[in-house]
Amino acid sequence: QKEVEQNSGPLSVPEGAIASLNCTYSDRGSQSFFWYRQYSGKSPELIMFIYSNGDKEDGRFTAQLNKASQYVSLLIRDSQPSDSATYLCAVGGYSSASKIIFGSGTRLSIRP
Amino acid sequence: GAVVSQHPSRVICKSGTSVKIECRSLDFQATTMFWYRQFPKQSLMLMATSNEGSKATYEQGVEKDKFLINHASLTLSTLTVTSAHPEDSSFYICSASEGSLTDTQYFGPGTRLTVL
Repeated sequence: QKEVEQNSGPLSVPEGAIASLNCTYSDRGSQSFFWYRQYSGKSPELIMFIYSNGDKEDGRFTAQLNKASQYVSLLIRDSQPSDSATYLCAVGGYSSASKIIFGSGTRLSIRP
Repeated sequence: GAVVSQHPSRVICKSGTSVKIECRSLDFQATTMFWYRQFPKQSLMLMATSNEGSKATYEQGVEKDKFLINHASLTLSTLTVTSAHPEDSSFYICSASEGSLTDTQYFGPGTRLTVL
């Protein structure tokens, strides 16, 4: 059974600080890794994807991947109240037809 | 780019009726589309994977005769909830994959189904 694990939270971070979200996965053959943001009552929205070990930066967001440790993380710099949402980690194989496995999500709350 | 639409956004129906939900990829061709269900405060649950022109692959525990999926073209997939019951009330979300070497899925806005 392929699994993706996330701490459910809530993770409370002061405005302007760095929020760090973590995710581990069980399938060593995983090739693609995603972070989605989901606001309450809305569908998930893609934030970032990463395929190679190391860091990938996009604006205030940085995804970090360590395949040896089967660990992927998302850093949010200069956290804003609008970043308050549930963040879903997802892990996939190497085919466009393969399904991706979602974690249960981490609820992030940015306090003013 | 990579916009996925769903229709309707919200539907209320009586128990025993069937409801059809459409999922469209607006600016790309979706080789594969996925249907998820999400109950309040729970994570996404994959129901089925559909590829254009072939039968959908259902996840364990999902009744294929109750949740009919048709992926008639590279831009349209439909989910029909047949003989809906109150326990089918949920948030149904589709996603689409472009069919490149990546698995990136782009989600539609979701359909909230309430069965009375």
